Amino acid sequence: DGGITQSPKYLFRKEGQNVTLSCEQNLNHDAMYWYRQDPGQGLRLIYYSQIVNDFQKGDIAEGYSVSREKKESFPLTVTSAQKNPTAFYLCASSMTRRGTGELFFGEGSRLTVL
Amino acid sequence: GQSLEQPSEVTAVEGAIVQMNCTYQTSGFYGLSWYQQHDGGAPTFLSYNALDGLEETGRFSSFLSRSDSYGYLLLQELQMKDSASYFCAVRELTGGGNKLTFGTGTQLKVEL
Repeated sequence: DGGITQSPKYLFRKEGQNVTLSCEQNLNHDAMYWYRQDPGQGLRLIYYSQIVNDFQKGDIAEGYSVSREKKESFPLTVTSAQKNPTAFYLCASSMTRRGTGELFFGEGSRLTVL
Repeated sequence: GQSLEQPSEVTAVEGAIVQMNCTYQTSGFYGLSWYQQHDGGAPTFLSYNALDGLEETGRFSSFLSRSDSYGYLLLQELQMKDSASYFCAVRELTGGGNKLTFGTGTQLKVEL
């Protein structure tokens, strides 16, 4: 079945460690996104990519990094520079300008910093 | 930048109709989307308006007024399973694609 796969679902890390969250899609979508969600809050855009080898900062990019070497993959690294990394991270993909711009989301990765 | 406002909570009775509002301030607007998210789950797409007026999909309807920077989501014949958070999101076009900015969401509680 087509969809978006995020891993791991749950992740614990110690302060000062970098961690990479995986996101893979087989929907043949050009665009991919990373959002962060804190309890009781909306989704805030971290990074997005419209095409391979290109990506743009979202509203809260500080302390995060991404790469887009393949159309299917858009991993997110949470670096030690991110001051408050404990959150629910959601990856999404979409077609580009056509249609409704509907985002298809993965099931999320919940990161806890100990 | 973008700014969206939604009421934080709405409570309604099973079988009733509920309206959830969204107002936005934006430097670039292409359309307004609505997403549903159950606790701990992934958001799922409900509806999209690019033009003024009402869009209907089954029990869900969404309305947009571009001149008022306002939209709403209407749910009819409420069911217990509709208890969830509902987010509006402004779509803007950037470069070759989309960028969506989400509101903080309205938590809907459906009671018997």
